[in-house]
Amino acid sequence: GNSVTQMEGPVTLSEEAFLTINCTYTATGYPSLFWYVQYPGEGLQLLLKATKADDKGSNKGFEATYRKETTSFHLEKGSVQVSDSAVYFCALTYPTGNQFYFGTGTSLTVIP
Amino acid sequence: KAGVTQTPRYLIKTRGQQVTLSCSPISGHRSVSWYQQTPGQGLQFLFEYFSETQRNKGNFPGRFSGRQFSNSRSEMNVSTLELGDSALYLCASSSPGLRNTGELFFGEGSRLTVL
Repeated sequence: GNSVTQMEGPVTLSEEAFLTINCTYTATGYPSLFWYVQYPGEGLQLLLKATKADDKGSNKGFEATYRKETTSFHLEKGSVQVSDSAVYFCALTYPTGNQFYFGTGTSLTVIP
Repeated sequence: KAGVTQTPRYLIKTRGQQVTLSCSPISGHRSVSWYQQTPGQGLQFLFEYFSETQRNKGNFPGRFSGRQFSNSRSEMNVSTLELGDSALYLCASSSPGLRNTGELFFGEGSRLTVL
């Protein structure tokens, strides 16, 4: 079946540190891959997405590359800020489907 | 443009009771999905509705049900509540059309506590 595995948290970083949150997936065919973010007190919102292999999604300084050979979609940011503190969810879906498969979420805390 | 609105935001029930949660999607969105969020399991898909029809259902017991109205508003119902049903229930809507564009717009959720 389809599934998403992401690194366990919580992750605590100092401001301006480099961030990597690992995400791997199990799926058949050609899913689309996403990172959603949940800021404290807010609903989940789309951070970035990639719809085919080797695509790079980017937004707000975050990047992730769709790697089909390693079935991965790791989230990276070169210099995190306190405002990046949130829970990050990796997810996949199919363009012709209507169900998303989410990872368990990784909590990130950035300290000044 | 108003976002996805879920009511109630918080509720406490006891085992054996039933509960109904409501979701108003973004205006113009015809697809509404429901997810259960728990600390250990992350987000688990419950079901998705499009134009009043359930298109897909996740792996949850029959105690979990839903429906969608002609104005795209949706409700989900959980009967005979169990302690394990305590969770944040999230509703998400997406843009019109049959093809999955890949972006869900989430509400802030309804937090259910079962005692």
